[in-house]
Amino acid sequence: AQSVSQHNHHVILSEAASLELGCNYSYGGTVNLFWYVQYPGQHLQLLLKYFSGDPLVKGIKGFEAEFIKSKFSFNLRKPSVQWSDTAEYFCAVAGGNNRLAFGKGNQVVVIP
Amino acid sequence: SQTIHQWPATLVQPVGSPLSLECTVEGTSNPNLYWYRQAAGRGLQLLFYSVGIGQISSEVPQNLSASRPQDRQFILSSKKLLLSDSGFYLCAWSVGAMGVGEQFFGPGTRLTVL
Repeated sequence: AQSVSQHNHHVILSEAASLELGCNYSYGGTVNLFWYVQYPGQHLQLLLKYFSGDPLVKGIKGFEAEFIKSKFSFNLRKPSVQWSDTAEYFCAVAGGNNRLAFGKGNQVVVIP
Repeated sequence: SQTIHQWPATLVQPVGSPLSLECTVEGTSNPNLYWYRQAAGRGLQLLFYSVGIGQISSEVPQNLSASRPQDRQFILSSKKLLLSDSGFYLCAWSVGAMGVGEQFFGPGTRLTVL
């Protein structure tokens, strides 16, 4: 079964700073990769996804993620964060066992 | 468009009492349905999933059970709640091959067992 690791559970940064959240997974086969976001008081929603093709994926609100197969990674980035990016971010991986495995999440706080 | 509903939004129950959380999906047919528990700093734990009416798979041994009496209805239950059942419960749906594609999440139920 696949597993997902997210480091630095709590991230605090100022507006306009750059954000990068790491995601590493363990599974040797073909995977589908996701980043979900949960804004305060809102549903968990999809930020971006990778199934195949260009390993650099662009999502909503200026986020992007890069799939590096050799490193089993799918890191999330945003060049310049805003206060409204305060949220919890989850990386998720779907592998061969028909399960979606989630990481423990990154709680991101952006200070105005 | 598809929507997913969960109720109640919050629930406070005494230890030993029964539980019933309901999830319904609108705007899609034959969805895969999921129950997760979300704990702070621990991510989402898959509890149950269902690929069709009456078909339930359990991921972890626990004090909970699930049922799918209708195509778009998924119920999470317990006969006797434990303190450790407290948490935030999320229902989700997807289409296509189970667990492969994007999942859509409901608003969740905050359960507190006292």
